[in-house]
Amino acid sequence: AQSVTQLDSQVPVFEEAPVELRCNYSSSVSVYLFWYVQYPNQGLQLLLKYLSGSTLVKGINGFEAEFNKSQTSFHLRKPSVHISDTAEYFCAVSGAAGNKLTFGGGTRVLVKP
Amino acid sequence: EPEVTQTPSHQVTQMGQEVILRCVPISNHLYFYWYRQILGQKVEFLVSFYNNEISEKSEIFDDQFSVERPDGSNFTLKIRSTKLEDSAMYFCASRGPTGNTEAFFGQGTRLTVV
Repeated sequence: AQSVTQLDSQVPVFEEAPVELRCNYSSSVSVYLFWYVQYPNQGLQLLLKYLSGSTLVKGINGFEAEFNKSQTSFHLRKPSVHISDTAEYFCAVSGAAGNKLTFGGGTRVLVKP
Repeated sequence: EPEVTQTPSHQVTQMGQEVILRCVPISNHLYFYWYRQILGQKVEFLVSFYNNEISEKSEIFDDQFSVERPDGSNFTLKIRSTKLEDSAMYFCASRGPTGNTEAFFGQGTRLTVV
């Protein structure tokens, strides 16, 4: 069984400040890790993914995440946020290819001017 | 860019009625999923579908739920007798032929049971 914990339910941050969203997972098998973003009243859009290879993954909109196997973490970072980054961010894990995604509870990011 | 399309975007139904939520996955994808998100809660897996059969389902996906891929393009979720607690956003997703790729999500159908 897999599970995902997002440690922060809400993160307020000022525009142009950095942000880090924490994600920890548990799994008995190798995992694929994902971050999705959900803008208000919209669906889920993939930000980035880790399948294998380099542990530092770069995604869209200036986001990056680092896979840390020993700490079972996949934290998401952005060095300078914009107002438009206000959204909910979901970390997700899947096992073998084609398997379901297990989502964390989400982190709501509110970017203040 | 190919996308997953869901219809309708919003459906209101009376308790006890049947609803069918429709999805058109990306055309060369082979894995299909339904997820739901109750307002303010996490996204939950309902069911996965591969090779014309259910490959996995969650405990939420009871006998009131069914899925079908009737014509090779549409992928539907049917709820036979809706309950108030079925009110949620329902997301369809599909995943590519190699399997080693991300799931692409539709915009969702907001189901409101009154």
